[in-house]
Amino acid sequence: DAGVTQSPTHLIKTRGQQVTLRCSPISGHKSVSWYQQVLGQGPQFIFQYYEKEERGRGNFPDRFSARQFPNYSSELNVNALLLGDSALYLCASSLGGAGGASGINNEQFFGPGTRLTVL
Amino acid sequence: DAKTTQPPSMDCAEGRAANLPCNHSTISGNEYVYWYRQIHSQGPQYIIHGLKNNETNEMASLIITEDRKSSTLILPHATLRDTAVYYCIVRPKISSGSARQLTFGSGTQLTVLP
Repeated sequence: DAGVTQSPTHLIKTRGQQVTLRCSPISGHKSVSWYQQVLGQGPQFIFQYYEKEERGRGNFPDRFSARQFPNYSSELNVNALLLGDSALYLCASSLGGAGGASGINNEQFFGPGTRLTVL
Repeated sequence: DAKTTQPPSMDCAEGRAANLPCNHSTISGNEYVYWYRQIHSQGPQYIIHGLKNNETNEMASLIITEDRKSSTLILPHATLRDTAVYYCIVRPKISSGSARQLTFGSGTQLTVLP
């Protein structure tokens, strides 16, 4: 089975531009989360979607938005890009649902990421 | 969320056991300890998790102290491919509808030496 896929793998943009990153979760997974990883730091949570609804949002400005489609794939949009938005953007999928105790339903599987460079 | 403290870096000889410590002194009773690792330029990979009992899987063992304030991830026979950043994460028991984000710290850079 294919794992989490993300596109594109690399992207170069200039300040002020807008970017859309895409993520396809593992087949059967209904939850998608987005993380930003700046060089030298751990990933930081941006959004989580489950069944096409936003379930959580990290401490990111409104320039960041996302959505989840009926097939559970997801897009992350960033407007008015800043130099500081340069980072590896990671998508993670999970089965979602209640999951009971910290069970396998809640395990997050990460994609390879999209490397965004803002010049 | 409770925070974790890990050493920034560690070295280990190939073939030896790698023991990675993590302090989580403010952990609460409904919070699990998770370990992920991230090999350079790849997405994080789940390793293991536990609540209060020691856990073992094909990748590693997790030893949690009785007071749950610290834990150790053990890679029994480290290989060069285990070189990665290892993240210790404390995560609450998941309830339906709640966000399930992972809160990563800076992790420990483990370098396995030949």
